[in-house]
Amino acid sequence: GIQVEQSPPDLILQEGANSTLRCNFSDSVNNLQWFHQNPWGQLINLFYIPSGTKQNGRLSATTVATERYSLLYISSSQTTDSGVYFCAVSREYGNKLVFGAGTILRVKS
Amino acid sequence: KAGVTQTPRYLIKTRGQQVTLSCSPISGHRSVSWYQQTPGQGLQFLFEYFSETQRNKGNFPGRFSGRQFSNSRSEMNVSTLELGDSALYLCASSKLSTIADTQYFGPGTRLTVL
Repeated sequence: GIQVEQSPPDLILQEGANSTLRCNFSDSVNNLQWFHQNPWGQLINLFYIPSGTKQNGRLSATTVATERYSLLYISSSQTTDSGVYFCAVSREYGNKLVFGAGTILRVKS
Repeated sequence: KAGVTQTPRYLIKTRGQQVTLSCSPISGHRSVSWYQQTPGQGLQFLFEYFSETQRNKGNFPGRFSGRQFSNSRSEMNVSTLELGDSALYLCASSKLSTIADTQYFGPGTRLTVL
């Protein structure tokens, strides 16, 4: 099946710093989403981005489908950005997401 | 619009028992998927239902089963619980199933098996 690798596995930032999270996937996909998991376990949808670039406030994402990677940019990080960021992809008919292992982000004040 | 809801939020069971978890999708969403999250295996897909039919299935034993009702609400059942079934079970809904679509997750049910 498709493989998803996220890097870095852990990231510690000072408040106000910028960061880039990367997601590599092993095959073509028809769905790619970025999620933020909060301390209570809920997965919050950040972007649906199988290709192209999107921005939402301090967050933006770019997926280069032909090169099988996606990047999540966080600018001017805040302590509330802390948590685990997941990339998930699908190449199946319907909705069957394969998740990466996640990047644990800690933002210090 | 209300989000995806899951009940119960927390559950404690003993080995050998069975458990049923419930998920109500966002209004108008017809696809419901279930995922298991554990520290060792991460997030893994269990199954997906659309219009009361299972469309996709992950690599889990037959003790894990699910169903979907005509109002799109879904339940998953785990029989003969094992210690390794302790996990956060997440449900997601999406509007479409014929093509890939954004999935929205509920808050999860945290199951502890003693």
